[in-house]
Amino acid sequence: KAGVTQTPRYLIKTRGQQVTLSCSPISGHRSVSWYQQTPGQGLQFLFEYFSETQRNKGNFPGRFSGRQFSNSRSEMNVSTLELGDSALYLCASSRGRREETQYFGPGTRLLVL
Amino acid sequence: DQQVKQNSPSLSVQEGRISILNCDYTNSMFDYFLWYKKYPAEGPTFLISISSIKDKNEDGRFTVFLNKSAKHLSLHIVPSQPGDSAVYFCAASGVGDDKIIFGKGTRLHILP
Repeated sequence: KAGVTQTPRYLIKTRGQQVTLSCSPISGHRSVSWYQQTPGQGLQFLFEYFSETQRNKGNFPGRFSGRQFSNSRSEMNVSTLELGDSALYLCASSRGRREETQYFGPGTRLLVL
Repeated sequence: DQQVKQNSPSLSVQEGRISILNCDYTNSMFDYFLWYKKYPAEGPTFLISISSIKDKNEDGRFTVFLNKSAKHLSLHIVPSQPGDSAVYFCAASGVGDDKIIFGKGTRLHILP
């Protein structure tokens, strides 16, 4: 079956702009989690959506938001971009229970100039 | 605060020898632990997990050991192969919490 897909794969934005990233989970998976990966901080949890509801949230400012649609596809939005938002943004899908394996997409690499 | 710590940013091991990757955690509520492997330009892939009711879990060349009293886990790869060169992330989650916390990763280099 098809894996997790993320679009776009690469993105260049300037400070102050906003960006929307998209994630399509594996068919049948209802949970989508978003992570930010930077060289110094590793993988940091942003938030998790399950059945269109945000179930968990990490310690990121309100500029980072997300949503999930009825088909489980998820979007992540970052408003008022800062240079420090340059990172690889990964999404992962699973059936929903924490013991279920999370499957990651290839990520969207965002560069903020 | 870093609840999951991988103190070695990188590790080099000779092909055929044992690779041991270490991970420490601070949250005593963590009861489920995972290891992920990541190649460049790809998302992490699940490798192996362990529940706190066990102290060892084995899957082929990969074994994870958990020492709850020391809040320490390790991943052993035997024998190490060139394809094992990647970044390895340790991760954990706690009772009643579906959130998974990742460490910063350890880059493993398998030397020919």
